Amino acid sequence: DAKTTQPTSMDCAEGRAANLPCNHSTISGNEYVYWYRQIHSQGPQYIIHGLKNNETNEMASLIITEDRKSSTLILPHATLRDTAVYYCIVRVANTNAGKSTFGDGTTLTVKP
Amino acid sequence: DGGITQSPKYLFRKEGQNVTLSCEQNLNHDAMYWYRQDPGQGLRLIYYSQIVNDFQKGDIAEGYSVSREKKESFPLTVTSAQKNPTAFYLCASVRGGSNQPQHFGDGTRLSIL
Repeated sequence: DAKTTQPTSMDCAEGRAANLPCNHSTISGNEYVYWYRQIHSQGPQYIIHGLKNNETNEMASLIITEDRKSSTLILPHATLRDTAVYYCIVRVANTNAGKSTFGDGTTLTVKP
Repeated sequence: DGGITQSPKYLFRKEGQNVTLSCEQNLNHDAMYWYRQDPGQGLRLIYYSQIVNDFQKGDIAEGYSVSREKKESFPLTVTSAQKNPTAFYLCASVRGGSNQPQHFGDGTRLSIL
């Protein structure tokens, strides 16, 4: 699985959009981009995933660059409850699942 | 409801003792994973299994062992060879042959007495 690089930490004002970047320059054509978040001492929670098209769900939007070497997770109206560690991973799908490696993630702090 | 159950939530180990962490899923997922998380750090992959009776080492397998005798179960044994076992352990599963995301359990926190 390709390695990802994320900033260690970010701040965001409550009610504003939070834009979390992720670099995955060695991503392969059959690898999806997944985003999870983890609140202290809990298991990671799935947010969104995509292959090459931009995706949106009730939680967030995922913007993937045309060359697929980077992506951005957008939380459109951040709340204090969005304070968490956010992980971007890439993983081969449509196989026997395969190895899935997480990095250190980005600690997002939403401030009042 | 379907999900992943990890037990116990808290576990204490004496020096030189082996302990086994339980992970059970009723999602009919093919692949299962074990991760270790140290304070302030990300998840590191210990072992993973794509099908029953088969498993592969992750990035930090030394001092750990696993088995996958049933599809729904993937227990992790922390052996006495693991010199620094204090950590938060997370189990995950995913359906093979799909792009669906991993599901995670609530974790087991292991401490040394």
